[in-house]
Amino acid sequence: GEDVEQSLFLSVREGDSSVINCTYTDSSSTYLYWYKQEPGAGLQLLTYIFSNMDMKQDQRLTVLLNKKDKHLSLRIADTQTGDSAIYFCAASGSGNTGKLIFGQGTTLQVKP
Amino acid sequence: DAGVTQSPTHLIKTRGQQVTLRCSPKSGHDTVSWYQQALGQGPQFIFQYYEEEERQRGNFPDRFSGHQFPNYSSELNVNALLLGDSALYLCASSPDRGGYEQYFGPGTRLTVT
Repeated sequence: GEDVEQSLFLSVREGDSSVINCTYTDSSSTYLYWYKQEPGAGLQLLTYIFSNMDMKQDQRLTVLLNKKDKHLSLRIADTQTGDSAIYFCAASGSGNTGKLIFGQGTTLQVKP
Repeated sequence: DAGVTQSPTHLIKTRGQQVTLRCSPKSGHDTVSWYQQALGQGPQFIFQYYEEEERQRGNFPDRFSGHQFPNYSSELNVNALLLGDSALYLCASSPDRGGYEQYFGPGTRLTVT
């Protein structure tokens, strides 16, 4: 079946790099996404990557995709306290109809 | 450019009642998807609307139904509310049925007592 898994918690020091990892099961997922959710808020689209790419960089964010291992990571450079939030990995469902399969979310705690 | 908007922000209902949640998509988007996010969990796909029709549905009972209007806005209806329906309901819009860029609204927090 379709499943996405993430580690639940990551704690880093301000200024360090953060790496959040995700694995997914559906090899036909065409797009993979990272969303950020702050307390009491909706989901903010951070970035996404097409499955035929292995890397995408957007300012402080770097996404790495290992399609063979179905592993996705999000690296945040120079992590700031404002980056503290829950980060969700999502994979497009089979057939690329727009259904997204989400992981459980990784809580990122940034210590000053 | 207004993003995805949802109303109401919060709602408290009693078991057995019915509720309607509303969503207006981002300008230029014609596809709307609804998700349920229980506390501490990732969002779960409920269904998607395109051209006023339900195009895909997740594993939710028939108590969950929806509608899309000609202006692309959408409603989510839930009948016979259960305590377990308490969650944040998120609406997402995208520019086409493939939906490679999905933007979410702020959500409606539904509490069932």
